[in-house]
Amino acid sequence: SQQGEEDPQALSIQEGENATMNCSYKTSINNLQWYRQNSGRGLVHLILIRSNEREKHSGRLRVTLDTSKKSSSLLITASRAADTASYFCASDYTGGGNKLTFGTGTQLKVEL
Amino acid sequence: DTAVSQTPKYLVTQMGNDKSIKCEQNLGHDTMYWYKQDSKKFLKIMFSYNNKELIINETVPNRFSPKSPDKAHLNLHINSLELGDSAVYFCASSPSGTGSRYTIYFGEGSWLTVV
Repeated sequence: SQQGEEDPQALSIQEGENATMNCSYKTSINNLQWYRQNSGRGLVHLILIRSNEREKHSGRLRVTLDTSKKSSSLLITASRAADTASYFCASDYTGGGNKLTFGTGTQLKVEL
Repeated sequence: DTAVSQTPKYLVTQMGNDKSIKCEQNLGHDTMYWYKQDSKKFLKIMFSYNNKELIINETVPNRFSPKSPDKAHLNLHINSLELGDSAVYFCASSPSGTGSRYTIYFGEGSWLTVV
C-alpha cells in the first residue's frame, strides 16, 4: 500500500498543550500536505511542504519533513478546544500518477 | 458562498437501487474529484476529471459512473447499490493539473447508507 500511516491514531490533550502528529510514507514523494477534518465536515487544507523543504510554519502550525526517514510531523502549539478534529497527511508519490494519497489520520481531542 | 457543494448531504436507500450525487464548484478550478471515506475514515480517490476529461480512474466497480457535463460539475451515479457502498463520498476540486501540487478543496460530503 502506498498510503501514509499516521501516529498516533488518537491523541487527547489539555487546552494550551502542544500536539504532535506524525506521518510516515513508503516511497519518494514530490510534496506532502496536511489536512484537517472536523466531525461531519469535509477536509480543509492546512499546509503543503515540498520535498526539498525541511520545515514550514503557518500560524500555530509547524510541519517538518524528513525525506531520509520518509516521515513528516505536524505540531500544533498552544492547542485550543477548537483544534479538536482529525488530521490527515496526504502525499504525492513520485511516479504515482500525480494523485494525492491520504494517510489514516490522527483524531485529536483538545479538552478544556 | 459554498465553494464546492454536493447534494444530497444524507442519502438512505435500499440495496439494488440506483442513486446519484451531484457536485458543483464555483472556484473556476479545472480539476474535480470524487473520494470515498469509509467508516474507519480512510480516504481513497475514486475518480479525477480535468476539464471534463477523465484522468484518474481507480479500481472502482463499474457500478460507479462519474459524469462531468462541464468543468464546474462532476456527478456520481451508482447503480445496483450494495451494503458495502455505505460511506461518505466527497467531491473536491483543485486549480489545475491533477492537483498534486495544489490545495484540494473538499465539499462537505454525502453520507450514503445502504440498507
